[in-house]
Amino acid sequence: AQTVTQSQPEMSVQEAETVTLSCTYDTSESNYYLFWYKQPPSRQMILVIRQEAYKQQNATENRFSVNFQKAAKSFSLKISDSQLGDTAMYFCAFILNRDDKIIFGKGTRLHILP
Amino acid sequence: EAGVAQSPRYKIIEKRQSVAFWCNPISGHATLYWYQQILGQGPKLLIQFQNNGVVDDSQLPKDRFSAERLKGVDSTLKIQPAKLEDSAVYLCASSRDRGSFYEQYFGPGTRLTVT
Repeated sequence: AQTVTQSQPEMSVQEAETVTLSCTYDTSESNYYLFWYKQPPSRQMILVIRQEAYKQQNATENRFSVNFQKAAKSFSLKISDSQLGDTAMYFCAFILNRDDKIIFGKGTRLHILP
Repeated sequence: EAGVAQSPRYKIIEKRQSVAFWCNPISGHATLYWYQQILGQGPKLLIQFQNNGVVDDSQLPKDRFSAERLKGVDSTLKIQPAKLEDSAVYLCASSRDRGSFYEQYFGPGTRLTVT
């Protein structure tokens, strides 16, 4: 069975600092996508970043970047120069290419402190 | 481009009552998903539609939950009768088609409280 584990239920960092959110996953498949989603308080979930498993190069989106270690089945998210608007619940997730069911982790609640 | 719309945003009912949620996906999106997000957990897929047909409802508690997408556009999710453990946020998402499974857009969700 496919699983996603986020070992940090909650984190707090000062504004402008860099923070890394951890994620590990388990699958025996080789073709899949990995995601980080952001869910602000009482607001809808939005995609932060996406990584295709066959690509070795780590994805980046402005201040957001990932460290994808396929052999270790690790997919961490780094947020640089954190901003107050980054305060949210962050979900790590993946989806198999042969299936369109997203498997989510339990989330990490991130607080950016002024 | 308008996003995924859901209503109501909040609903409080007593156990054993019935409730229905509505979702209107992004225009032109053929694939529609309903997720259940229990507090402290990630979303879990309940049912997936491709146009007006069901693709996957393996995790839908069919004794009390039902969903339809009659004209292949908007969708309704119903719970009858509700239980306390149904308290959750119900998220609707859509994608252009099954080939675009990696690009799902989420609605704001309906927060259900069962007392």
